[in-house]
Amino acid sequence: DAGITQSPRHKVTETGTPVTLRCHQTENHRYMYWYRQDPGHGLRLIHYSYGVKDTDKGEVSDGYSVSRSKTEDFLLTLESATSSQTSVYFCAIATGPSTDTQYFGPGTRLTVL
Amino acid sequence: DAKTTQPPSMDCAEGRAANLPCNHSTISGNEYVYWYRQIHSQGPQYIIHGLKNNETNEMASLIITEDRKSSTLILPHATLRDTAVYYCIVRENSGGGADGLTFGKGTHLIIQP
Repeated sequence: DAGITQSPRHKVTETGTPVTLRCHQTENHRYMYWYRQDPGHGLRLIHYSYGVKDTDKGEVSDGYSVSRSKTEDFLLTLESATSSQTSVYFCAIATGPSTDTQYFGPGTRLTVL
Repeated sequence: DAKTTQPPSMDCAEGRAANLPCNHSTISGNEYVYWYRQIHSQGPQYIIHGLKNNETNEMASLIITEDRKSSTLILPHATLRDTAVYYCIVRENSGGGADGLTFGKGTHLIIQP
């Protein structure tokens, strides 16, 4: 399972509150990703990281920020959660020379009321 | 990335081989075929990938036609735990890049007891 954990696994929060999701890996892989999955949209890339303190935006980055201060942790922050950010969030890592073979974490189900 | 076409759903009897087709008629010479699956409420799982030659691993076999315009994922002895949505993705290996994966609607494979 590539040693990926996500926390929390479930969270319910209220509109306007800040939320931080954590992705942790145990194998020092360089590339890490955050996706969201919604019915009818499939998986969409939010942000990704290609090293410590090196991050970039994905397809749906508005309303999200990320940080990577250590190789093993990639944090996703919703500065002020909105109901449209209710979703399932998946973290992924890429192994080897190809970043197209990605391994996903178990997901975090976030509900914003 | 080339577009892929998959049947929306398929049934297969437990213990039989499940053959999942994928059409990718616009694939270019340097694009790989990747297969992932997503079991309900879990993160996507990498299965296999290939460029031209057929590939086999402990999970499945990938058969790519000679013209590379279509491929078939084969699960040799399907079990109930193989019930999932299977995604065929075609993309150029990004190597040092970090583009997110684009998942289409996939094929919902249902293994019948």
